[in-house]
Amino acid sequence: EVQLVESGGGLVKPGGSLRLSCAASGFTFRSYAMNWVRQAPGKGLEWVSSISGHTGYIYYADSVKGRFTISRDNAKNSLYLQMNSLSAEDTALYFCARVNQLRENYGMDVWGQGTTVTVSS
Amino acid sequence: DIQMTQSPSSVSASVGDRVTITCRASQDISSWLAWYQQKPGKAPNLLIYAASSLQSGVPSRFSGGASGTDFTLTISSLQPEDFATYYCQQANSFPYTFGQGTKLEIK
Repeated sequence: EVQLVESGGGLVKPGGSLRLSCAASGFTFRSYAMNWVRQAPGKGLEWVSSISGHTGYIYYADSVKGRFTISRDNAKNSLYLQMNSLSAEDTALYFCARVNQLRENYGMDVWGQGTTVTVSS
Repeated sequence: DIQMTQSPSSVSASVGDRVTITCRASQDISSWLAWYQQKPGKAPNLLIYAASSLQSGVPSRFSGGASGTDFTLTISSLQPEDFATYYCQQANSFPYTFGQGTKLEIK
């Protein structure tokens, strides 16, 4: 079964750090570009970051650039998001998602269940 | 950045109705548009990619269309399980951007 499972969310104080993980199974992880997408409580979807299958490219939303770092370990079938200098505006449910059919232009077809990040003092 | 403007923000409809949701891109995105359905507490589910291609496993009552920078998602005959929030997403260039969402409610 194709599956993505996020972990690492939690409650963190403003200015703190957190590292999210996404464990992939059921497909050839190294072949797929991967994404992080977040959703603040009661709000819409916001793309956060993308990384290609073989680390050929990395992109970030302006809202997280310089604070968040996306990475992957293809040997461990895992995707990561290191989040530093967190603020209340980063409070959200964070999803990892796979590109559809190996094509970045085709949307995201497999999503995890999400992990919740709450930034509060 | 490419702005995606979705309309309406909410719509009420009945089972069996035909519903169309529109998404307008602020600039040319070719056909690189995806549509998602999201139910409360769940991850989004890909319905349509490349503006009009039906994702595997998605019922044929869902269809996508495009005209220039205007894109549509049509549900031909609403079923009870279709009441959810729908999002468009441009996949033409980074940063990817989503529309603000359309909440489809039962009338």
